[in-house]
Amino acid sequence: DQQVKQNSPSLSVQEGRISILNCDYTNSMFDYFLWYKKYPAEGPTFLISISSIKDKNEDGRFTVFLNKSAKHLSLHIVPSQPGDSAVYFCAGGNSGAGSYQLTFGKGTKLSVIP
Amino acid sequence: KAGVTQTPRYLIKTRGQQVTLSCSPISGHRSVSWYQQTPGQGLQFLFEYFSETQRNKGNFPGRFSGRQFSNSRSEMNVSTLELGDSALYLCASSFRDSSYNEQFFGPGTRLTVL
Repeated sequence: DQQVKQNSPSLSVQEGRISILNCDYTNSMFDYFLWYKKYPAEGPTFLISISSIKDKNEDGRFTVFLNKSAKHLSLHIVPSQPGDSAVYFCAGGNSGAGSYQLTFGKGTKLSVIP
Repeated sequence: KAGVTQTPRYLIKTRGQQVTLSCSPISGHRSVSWYQQTPGQGLQFLFEYFSETQRNKGNFPGRFSGRQFSNSRSEMNVSTLELGDSALYLCASSFRDSSYNEQFFGPGTRLTVL
């Protein structure tokens, strides 16, 4: 059972435009979510997080939106830059679980075209 | 602060052998988690250690084991290697012992089983 789903394996966006990466989850116990960016041959790098008590969190060019009723979150990157080309992972966690286990989606490969 | 370090970075083993991977978390971080990344499955949670205790374990066979030392460094061991164990093994550390927090990943150990 895939608790976190990123249904788009890849996404191509023109430089300067908005990139929207989507993520759906099924586990109602998740109360926080994180987005990571990963370049080849490197470990994932933390981008931005959101608690389930919020519906939006912004950090510079990155904004994450959470729709709890739809069990859906999205990452917006505005404006997109060629350096944003990477694989993006969405992850969910349960702060009441007593551990830091994160459940990851399979990732979306973003290509920003100059 | 130095980041999460993992050794070795690359490893080639043959079926039936065993392997030990090492992870040094960021100074002050007490939680260490291990993940397996394969092309088809994304990042899958192996286990998490906090203050030398395993707090959670993913759905992996008993051939996968780990431990954490008093200085928070962690090792994971895979015995009787199988071809399907070829993957990137990622270690991540976190520094808070309550509520949610981002995990900081190391560069990973690329294990190839021949």
